[in-house]
Amino acid sequence: GAVVSQHPSWVICKSGTSVKIECRSLDFQATTMFWYRQFPKQSLMLMATSNEGSKATYEQGVEKDKFLINHASLTLSTLTVTSAHPEDSSFYICSVGAASGRAGTDTQYFGPGTRLTVL
Amino acid sequence: GEDVEQSLFLSVREGDSSVINCTYTDSSSTYLYWYKQEPGAGLQLLTYIFSNMDMKQDQRLTVLLNKKDKHLSLRIADTQTGDSAIYFCAERGSGTYKYIFGTGTRLKVLA
Repeated sequence: GAVVSQHPSWVICKSGTSVKIECRSLDFQATTMFWYRQFPKQSLMLMATSNEGSKATYEQGVEKDKFLINHASLTLSTLTVTSAHPEDSSFYICSVGAASGRAGTDTQYFGPGTRLTVL
Repeated sequence: GEDVEQSLFLSVREGDSSVINCTYTDSSSTYLYWYKQEPGAGLQLLTYIFSNMDMKQDQRLTVLLNKKDKHLSLRIADTQTGDSAIYFCAERGSGTYKYIFGTGTRLKVLA
């Protein structure tokens, strides 16, 4: 399956600052990437679908001006949390939509996640 | 809308079998997945099953699918302490990458 990395793995920032999280597909050209957030002891909540070369598709209730997504290349998508506040503190996970002989078509492979703490 | 439910907790003794259950509502689901999440980490794909299959076995893992009841299960044979983690089932319809995740089951393996 696809190998996905995220950077940074954790970040602590002050309220009001912006934080950029990178998601890289290391061995696969990904036209589609996904961004999720996960609160403690909860499931993953899809935030948006990132398509290379076009605007991201945001899920209902997710502020697109708050969570800026850029998918400028087939191997990199970024999520920028603008003017972060303590309620934005969460675990952010990206995934790559990839076709794989092992897992069938259109399977998602996940990055290791980024833990954001906003003070 | 689509919904995927799992029991929250499961505790088993090392060496026993674990069975994690999942129910879903979307009858158009074509692929169903099991992922494992260890503390502070991303999701690791464990196995998957197509909706036209009833069962799939992969080493210690056995997936059973009852499409009529929309029920999916994951059986882990000879459960080890390293299997302690949160297990998510996810379903996906045809022609889309979009997943609907279950609530996750926290498996605790007692030595």
